[in-house]
Amino acid sequence: SQQGEEDPQALSIQEGENATMNCSYKTSINNLQWYRQNSGRGLVHLILIRSNEREKHSGRLRVTLDTSKKSSSLLITASRAADTASYFCATLGGFKTIFGAGTRLFVKA
Amino acid sequence: NAGVTQTPKFQVLKTGQSMTLQCAQDMNHNSMYWYRQDPGMGLRLIYYSASEGTTDKGEVPNGYNVSRLNKREFSLRLESAAPSQTSVYFCASSESQIGTQYFGPGTRLTVL
Repeated sequence: SQQGEEDPQALSIQEGENATMNCSYKTSINNLQWYRQNSGRGLVHLILIRSNEREKHSGRLRVTLDTSKKSSSLLITASRAADTASYFCATLGGFKTIFGAGTRLFVKA
Repeated sequence: NAGVTQTPKFQVLKTGQSMTLQCAQDMNHNSMYWYRQDPGMGLRLIYYSASEGTTDKGEVPNGYNVSRLNKREFSLRLESAAPSQTSVYFCASSESQIGTQYFGPGTRLTVL
């Protein structure tokens, strides 16, 4: 069973717009991480947010975490064509990391 | 630093054949993982090794075995490949079990 579920499954936007992806999970977590995967490549870590944190920023990325709703969101501001990729949330509960099915983001130039 | 390396990049097997996927990391990480990724799905954990000398089952271990040869290397073996094992396999490592995972480029396996 998968812990994290991303929403939407796919997102298409124009360059310069903001992209928001959501992740919901079911059980208690230690931390939640977001990864990016370019087509045919391995996953690249973007950002980690701990269960006692509510918001975190890294460059054009903003992640929020609401443990009461068991949800997280990833915001990419001023998107670029190079941001086209699949984005996965991964939850760490205990000592196992579980990945969601991902959101496919397509940024049109 | 090469990070996490995997060999081979591509492999085609016939049903019933065996093979070993190799993974190595040069970051002195304690924990290593094997995942599979099927179309339209996230990664599912097959096996992991929290530290040298230990291995544990993940979500989908059936049909696979692993060996943590030393701190650097973690191999995945398919003893008798089945078409259901057609997938892309990723190896990852992390400093600890709660740390960020770093991924290899993947092995695309097709079982006919």
